[in-house]
Amino acid sequence: QAQLVQSGAEVKKPGASVKVSCKASGYSFTSYAISWVRQAPGQGLEWMGWITTHNGNTNYAQKLQGRVTMTTDTSTSTAYMELRSLRSDDTAVYYCARDPSISGYYGSDYWGQGTLVTVSS
Amino acid sequence: DIQMTQSPSSLSASVGDRVTITCRASQSISNYLNWYQQKPGKAPKLLIYAASSLQNGVPSRFSGSGSGTDFTLTISSLQPEDFATYYCQQSFSTLWTFGQGTKVEIK
Repeated sequence: QAQLVQSGAEVKKPGASVKVSCKASGYSFTSYAISWVRQAPGQGLEWMGWITTHNGNTNYAQKLQGRVTMTTDTSTSTAYMELRSLRSDDTAVYYCARDPSISGYYGSDYWGQGTLVTVSS
Repeated sequence: DIQMTQSPSSLSASVGDRVTITCRASQSISNYLNWYQQKPGKAPKLLIYAASSLQNGVPSRFSGSGSGTDFTLTISSLQPEDFATYYCQQSFSTLWTFGQGTKVEIK
């Protein structure tokens, strides 16, 4: 059974950076892409981008371009999402999800449990 | 970006009711449309992919339809565990987007 386990909650000051990890197990890591989605308190889902795990190609949401970097470590089957220059409106639960295709045609079929990132002075 | 608009934003229904949620895209997205269910404090769960294909393990009371710009998610007979928020998502463009969500509440 596929599983994605994310790192724990973080509290950061404005202007700082955060790096969230997503460790995959139960499937062939490099056969699926990983996407990242965030959800501000009481709000809807916001797609952040995806990364292809076999070669590291990325595709980021325009509003996050320049502040977000997604990477993978295939030796540990772990994906990472780093967000820089944090602002208060980056406070959210951040999710990673597995994607059978970067076309998104088959949806994101397994999700991590979420990581709460709080940005506060 | 392609905008996804869901309606209604919320609805109240009773157990056993037939429930329909609509999602409209700002331009044609063929059938690159997925539906998710999210319960409070939990990660989203994939229900429907490619507009009408039922994800493995999802009850058959859930169904999806549509193509182009207009899509629907139907729950044929609402069950207690179905009270949740539902989101559509397009992946036709390289920049994926979600609808704003539809909260299904108990009447």
